[in-house]
Amino acid sequence: TQLLEQSPQFLSIQEGENLTVYCNSSSVFSSLQWYRQEPGEGPVLLVTVVTGGEVKKLKRLTFQFGDARKDSSLHITAAQPGDTGLYLCAGAPGGTSYGKLTFGQGTILTVHP
Amino acid sequence: EAGVAQSPRYKIIEKRQSVAFWCNPISGHATLYWYQQILGQGPKLLIQFQNNGVVDDSQLPKDRFSAERLKGVDSTLKIQPAKLEDSAVYLCASSFRLRDYGYTFGSGTRLTVV
Repeated sequence: TQLLEQSPQFLSIQEGENLTVYCNSSSVFSSLQWYRQEPGEGPVLLVTVVTGGEVKKLKRLTFQFGDARKDSSLHITAAQPGDTGLYLCAGAPGGTSYGKLTFGQGTILTVHP
Repeated sequence: EAGVAQSPRYKIIEKRQSVAFWCNPISGHATLYWYQQILGQGPKLLIQFQNNGVVDDSQLPKDRFSAERLKGVDSTLKIQPAKLEDSAVYLCASSFRLRDYGYTFGSGTRLTVV
């Protein structure tokens, strides 16, 4: 069974601060996704990273896939209250396990104005 | 395009009762998933459909859970009888094809078993 460990589980910061969320596994994934989930809603896909060492930027969010494709990070610059939510990483095992995702337990981010 | 529709949004039942959830995926999406998200945890896959066939149901507690996707469009997930530990949000997601990982999730059904 492939597991994804996210850290930290909780993050409470002030507006304007920077933060990094980590997603680690002992397993190799063919791709890794980051989702953001708000209360009462389903997760919304932010990005998919596929290549080891890949870095993707989405405005103030920077996503990195580890060289060995076992870990990933999400960095937010100058956090805003609108960034508040649950951030989930999810790994795709590849091979014949098409489509199935293994999710981390999530990081609850609260950005205070 | 319309998103993934789920109903009901909320359901409260007593243990040992039965309950059913409904999902209508994005039009043209062949792959449909049901995930269970317990409070404080990430979603866990219950079952994966490709059109009207089951691809993976290895994590579905088949003694009490069942799911179907007749005609390869809408899907229903049923729990009978419900247990307290089934309290969770049940999320439906769809993707265009089996190899796509860019899911679109519905808003979920929050089930409380008392």
